[in-house]
Order: sequence, then structure tokens, then C-alpha cells
Amino acid sequence: NAGVTQTPKFRILKIGQSMTLQCTQDMNHNYMYWYRQDPGMGLKLIYYSVGAGITDKGEVPNGYNVSRSTTEDFPLRLELAAPSQTSVYFCATGGSNQPQHFGDGTRLSIL
Amino acid sequence: AQSVTQLGSHVSVSEGALVLLRCNYSSSVPPYLFWYVQYPNQGLQLLLKYTSAATLVKGINGFEAEFKKSETSFHLTKPSAHMSDAAEYFCAVSELGGGYQKVTFGTGTKLQVIP
Repeated sequence: NAGVTQTPKFRILKIGQSMTLQCTQDMNHNYMYWYRQDPGMGLKLIYYSVGAGITDKGEVPNGYNVSRSTTEDFPLRLELAAPSQTSVYFCATGGSNQPQHFGDGTRLSIL
Repeated sequence: AQSVTQLGSHVSVSEGALVLLRCNYSSSVPPYLFWYVQYPNQGLQLLLKYTSAATLVKGINGFEAEFKKSETSFHLTKPSAHMSDAAEYFCAVSELGGGYQKVTFGTGTKLQVIP
């Protein structure tokens, strides 16, 4: 039972490059979330989705985009990578007032 | 707006000693509260959750937390620390509003266990 799978696990980008962080779940959860985690800052919500075809911005959406064409997949797109986007990114799924289930994260460095 | 405050970004305890990690929250509605644990290079894992059924909540690995409405607190405890408890712990509050489950995390407490 895979749960929430994130790829890649690590990536180094140059400033201005673009990339997509992948997130796939096999838990049939409607809610999916993207967070970024920076040291001492906890988790900040980037985008979330309440179901296929429905997405909305979280606290820190600037510089990111998402799509949700299926229940299973919720990719996060960085169009023009900036050093401020160096972080650890977590995808999570959940239901109404239920605990969230997290992937193992993608560690992204932008140089 | 909901918020979570974790007192102490770093806590050190001796192996076998009591673990106490503090969490205070604010919420405009009765909250759902969670504690998560994060081991190095991993995602967050659920330790326990409060959903109004009982004020004392037992979780995995011997942890428990008590919901105190009058103090708006949800502190995490374990009677006897093990070396394997060394990790970062996050308190979180959840409300259903604005069309989605809004979860706010604390900034985390790193637990060091000294042999």
C-alpha cells in the first residue's frame, strides 16, 4: 500500500529553470495539499484541491501552479525557479477533519 | 483565524525521563487537534488526534495528549523517553471552513534524547 508517493526525492535546479513535482495517492482521498517546509517555520500551504478539477491558493502560492485532472494526481509546477523556492516540499491527502497523510517529500535546491 | 503555538523549538530530555511538549491553539470553533512526528528525511506521521470524543487521547509509541479547553492547550506527553523518540514534533489544528479542511501547523519542536 503506497499511500502518497512523491517524485523526485531530490533535485537541484538553476535559477530560471522550470520543473514539476509529482504527487500520486492511492487512498481515494478527495483533499490534496502541497506544503513547503523551511527550517523553524513549520509547514506553509501552497495550494490545495478538494477534488478533481478544483484547486485553490493557500498561504504562499506565488511562483507555483497546480492542476488536478484526476483524483490520484496533484502535480506542482515551478515555472521560473528562484532561490527563495529552495525548500522541502510535501504533498498530503486527507478528508474532512481527518488526519493528513504525507509523502516523504521532495528536497529542492535552486542555485 | 486559527493558530498554533509550540513553546520551545528544542527540548532535551534524558533517556527514561518524562517527555512534555507544549502546544497552545486558538480556534473560533471547536477544533480538531493533531500531533505529528517527523523523522529525518521523512514526511509527517500521525501520532494522535483529538476529535471531541475524549479529552485524554492515547497515540502510538506510548504518547498521549490532553485537551484542556480552559487553557486552549493540547500538550503531548510520554512517561519515559526512548532514544527512538528523537525527532521533530508538530502540533496542528484543523477547521472545516471556506470549502476545505484548513490545517494550521505549529513551527515544530525538536526532541533530543540524551543517553
